[in-house]
This record gives sequence, structure tokens and C-alpha cells, in this order.
Amino acid sequence: EAGVAQSPRYKIIEKRQSVAFWCNPISGHATLYWYQQILGQGPKLLIQFQNNGVVDDSQLPKDRFSAERLKGVDSTLKIQPAKLEDSAVYLCASSPTQGQGGTEAFFGQGTRLTVV
Amino acid sequence: AQKVTQAQTEISVVEKEDVTLDCVYETRDTTYYLFWYKQPPSGELVFLIRRNSFDEQNEISGRYSWNFQKSTSSFNFTITASQVVDSAVYFCALRGNYGQNFVFGPGTRLSVLP
Repeated sequence: EAGVAQSPRYKIIEKRQSVAFWCNPISGHATLYWYQQILGQGPKLLIQFQNNGVVDDSQLPKDRFSAERLKGVDSTLKIQPAKLEDSAVYLCASSPTQGQGGTEAFFGQGTRLTVV
Repeated sequence: AQKVTQAQTEISVVEKEDVTLDCVYETRDTTYYLFWYKQPPSGELVFLIRRNSFDEQNEISGRYSWNFQKSTSSFNFTITASQVVDSAVYFCALRGNYGQNFVFGPGTRLSVLP
């Protein structure tokens, strides 16, 4: 079974530029998450999708971050304009269904963003 | 609000020693799930174990074991006979009963020295 795919693996941009990350979840997984992991910290949720609908985006800085999940499969996370404090690893994860709290999430390898 | 605390920032052990990673959580949910994930240098979070809130039986799986105590809101994780390949950052996570998001602790960096 293929895992969660993310691209690119690394990205370096200047502040005020824009950047986009892509995620392809495990086939058939209804729930998709984007997490931000700042160096030395645990992952923090940015947004959670159930199929192509948003379940939780309460911690997404909506003035600069946006995300969409096309047709309930792939997802894109965008930052525009980027700030220095956005330097982090952006992790995508998927889980089979929302209604089962005991199901683990499967994570991609992440995209390491450096804003200079 | 849900919260996970991992008081140990870094731990170093010598190979073959046993090591316990501590996790304390806060939640108002009556039903919830607890997880341990491993993050090796490659960056991908790897699922290790899970426990639901209504089953306090402690278990052993290979070199991994866990101690869940609801009375103290703790979910500790033990690696027996540690190996160099166990070196990684370990995260404890909490999730509600209805598939809400995973709330992660700050992580514990484990270094196993040869």
C-alpha cells in the first residue's frame, strides 16, 4: 500500500514570496490533515478535511494560509505572503474515517520550508 | 481543551538499557485515544501504539510496552533493551472519540549510544 506522498521535500523562499505544498493521501482515506511542525516542537494542526469539506481550520492563519482538497483526494496548502516565522516542516497525514477516534493517522515525510 | 505534556526533553541511554518515556494528558472527554509516534531523522511520523480510555490493561508488544493510568492521566511508554535504531524523537498524542485532530506533545528526543 502506497503511503502519504508529499512534494516538494524542501523549499527555500524569500519572505513575502508565495509557496504551495502538495499532498496525496492514502487511497480511500477520507480524512486529511495538514500539520505545522516548528523545529523542536510537536506538530500543530493547521487544517483538517473530511472528504472535501473543512472540519477544523481554527488554527489556520487565514490571512496568509489557504488550503483546498480537490475532489476529496489530493490537497494543496498555500502560504502567501510568507513570513520568517513560517519556517517549519509541513506534514500531511491521512486517516480512514473521521468517526473512529481509535484509528491512527499515517504521515508523509513532510516539506521542510525555509523562509529567508 | 486537550493538552499533552512530555516533561522529558532529551534522554540518553546506552544500548541494551531499558528506557521509559513519560506522557501526561488533559482532556474533558470521557472516551478518548492515546498514541505514541516515532519520528526518525527522515522526518516521517511512524505510528507505534494506541490505547483507548476504557481499557487500562497494560500490554507488551515486542520490545515496546506501555503503562496507562487513567487516575493520573499518564500514558508512559517503555522500550526494553534499547537499540541504536531506536534513536528518534518520540511523540505522545491524544485524540477524541469522534476522529478529531491529533493533539501532540512537544516530544522527547531519545539517543541510544552504542
